[in-house]
Amino acid sequence: EPEVTQTPSHQVTQMGQEVILRCVPISNHLYFYWYRQILGQKVEFLVSFYNNEISEKSEIFDDQFSVERPDGSNFTLKIRSTKLEDSAMYFCASRSSRGPPISGYTFGSGTRLTVV
Amino acid sequence: AQSVSQHNHHVILSEAASLELGCNYSYGGTVNLFWYVQYPGQHLQLLLKYFSGDPLVKGIKGFEAEFIKSKFSFNLRKPSVQWSDTAEYFCAVNASRSSNTGKLIFGQGTTLQVKP
Repeated sequence: EPEVTQTPSHQVTQMGQEVILRCVPISNHLYFYWYRQILGQKVEFLVSFYNNEISEKSEIFDDQFSVERPDGSNFTLKIRSTKLEDSAMYFCASRSSRGPPISGYTFGSGTRLTVV
Repeated sequence: AQSVSQHNHHVILSEAASLELGCNYSYGGTVNLFWYVQYPGQHLQLLLKYFSGDPLVKGIKGFEAEFIKSKFSFNLRKPSVQWSDTAEYFCAVNASRSSNTGKLIFGQGTTLQVKP
């Protein structure tokens, strides 16, 4: 079964440093997403990406965040200057259909980001 | 704003007990509803989904959920749980009219612990 792959599985970084979280979505999927889950809290939508541009973003996704699909296979989330409150599990997801998520998402295993 | 509430944060059951996890959402229009499961150390997996038609939806591993529109609810059920059902369960909603990007709004999750 096709998978969404995320690397690294765990990253520790110092406050103020830049981090890049990497995802390889399923190859024929069209929509890409980042979600995050702060420990003990709910999974929150960050951003959706379609046709090489952001299609929707949440208020969490401020100027410190950016996404890119640099080479047609990877989908990255960059945090420019990490804060302690960015510590969370970050999930990448992809899906193939336009409109409502009929087929459902495929999620990656997540990257646990710890900012110290 | 849309929101999803899961009433049970932590549920402990013995094997063979019946399970019902509550999920309520706030959105008056057309919704697509999902239950995801996350086993320890693994990614989010789709258990079942509702888009239209029969409000009683059957998913994988013996799970089912019932959409009750008048109650804005989509409760998850399983007649007899197993130790291997120990996991975190997330209810999620996509409100198709308010967002055509397919973003999901998640509940805060319910941790299910099944004792052998």
